[in-house]
Amino acid sequence: NAGVTQTPKFRVLKTGQSMTLLCAQDMNHEYMYWYRQDPGMGLRLIHYSVGEGTTAKGEVPDGYNVSRLKKQNFLLGLESAAPSQTSVYFCASSTLAGITGELFFGEGSRLTVL
Amino acid sequence: RKEVEQDPGPFNVPEGATVAFNCTYSNSASQSFFWYRQDCRKEPKLLMSVYSSGNEDGRFTAQLNRASQYISLLIRDSKLSDSATYLCVVNLGSSNTGKLIFGQGTTLQVKP
Repeated sequence: NAGVTQTPKFRVLKTGQSMTLLCAQDMNHEYMYWYRQDPGMGLRLIHYSVGEGTTAKGEVPDGYNVSRLKKQNFLLGLESAAPSQTSVYFCASSTLAGITGELFFGEGSRLTVL
Repeated sequence: RKEVEQDPGPFNVPEGATVAFNCTYSNSASQSFFWYRQDCRKEPKLLMSVYSSGNEDGRFTAQLNRASQYISLLIRDSKLSDSATYLCVVNLGSSNTGKLIFGQGTTLQVKP
């Protein structure tokens, strides 16, 4: 019953460092998403993908890149981390996103940029 | 104006109380609406969808008012275990855009 798995769960970076967050889902879902959650801001969509090989920008895409080379994986990259990217990152997946509305989330990745 | 707005609370209520949360959305073309629940330091999980005619699931009732562009969640007979943050979620535009927008959440604390 893995569902959506995010790695790593915690990471501390220095300003300017790069890193990649990995999201893997075993439910054969078409749609995958990356959100960030900050106090008082709720969940904000960074990037999403409606299928293997496709990606699209969300509300707050700047400073992030994504790739969906395999249907089950969705990678979020930070090329040059900034303190403003300190946040909790959630990956999610779904079947028909708008119709059912049920996103299945990973447990989150807590990133601190010093 | 935010696309989806909620009163962040916190709402502090005694066990057994009835509590209601509202959420407003700005895009009149929004197609579908949901309430999610998020426990402290956990991931959000779907609580219920919101249908045009209103819908009920046990102690939880969701309503949609398209004319005024708001949705509501009513919780009756509150339990300690209902303490959580409730997130209003709206799908902007057509059903397959993949863009579900979350409100900032309303925090509920149920006290003994």
